[in-house]
Amino acid sequence: EAGVTQSPTHLIKTRGQQATLRCSPISGHTSVYWYQQALGLGLQFLLWYDEGEERNRGNFPPRFSGRQFPNYSSELNVNALELEDSALYLCASSLGGHSTDTQYFGPGTRLTVL
Amino acid sequence: QQPVQSPQAVILREGEDAVINCSSSKALYSVHWYRQKHGEAPVFLMILLKGGEQKGHDKISASFNEKKQQSSLYLTASQLSYSGTYFCGTEKTSSGNTGKLIFGQGTTLQVKP
Repeated sequence: EAGVTQSPTHLIKTRGQQATLRCSPISGHTSVYWYQQALGLGLQFLLWYDEGEERNRGNFPPRFSGRQFPNYSSELNVNALELEDSALYLCASSLGGHSTDTQYFGPGTRLTVL
Repeated sequence: QQPVQSPQAVILREGEDAVINCSSSKALYSVHWYRQKHGEAPVFLMILLKGGEQKGHDKISASFNEKKQQSSLYLTASQLSYSGTYFCGTEKTSSGNTGKLIFGQGTTLQVKP
């Protein structure tokens, strides 16, 4: 069974541009989570989508947004990129939206902002 | 509030044991343990939900204390493949289902031959 997939693997942008990151969950999973992992820092929760709706977001500015499609895949959009947005962005999926559901992570997208 | 992991880093020889702690100032609803190898996705190890719970598989086990404020991950007879960064992800005892795991800063484990 295929795991969580993310694209692209690497993304290089310049300050002020927009970045779009994509995530396909494990088949049958309805919840998708986005995390930011900046160098030297742990994983910071960004967004949670379940059944097409945004259920929760972390302490990030509104220029971080996303959506979940009917097939449960998701995209993360980061507008007006800043240098400190450079990080590994990890997507995870779970079977349902309950706290006790295991979150399975994808390999991540490495975003570099120049 | 971010849980505190200790130690920050540990170096072991193959066959040695290690304990990684994850502490919170408030009671937790759940603790999820992950291992991340360099350049790879975090891999789920186990989840603990109940105070006093202990669980494990192979030579990796974990416990959750009665107050649900501390969890420990035990690695026995470590193997080279255990090397990586270990994270605990926690959800506070809260009024609802937030879907939001708050991760500790990670513990880097290096196992040497």
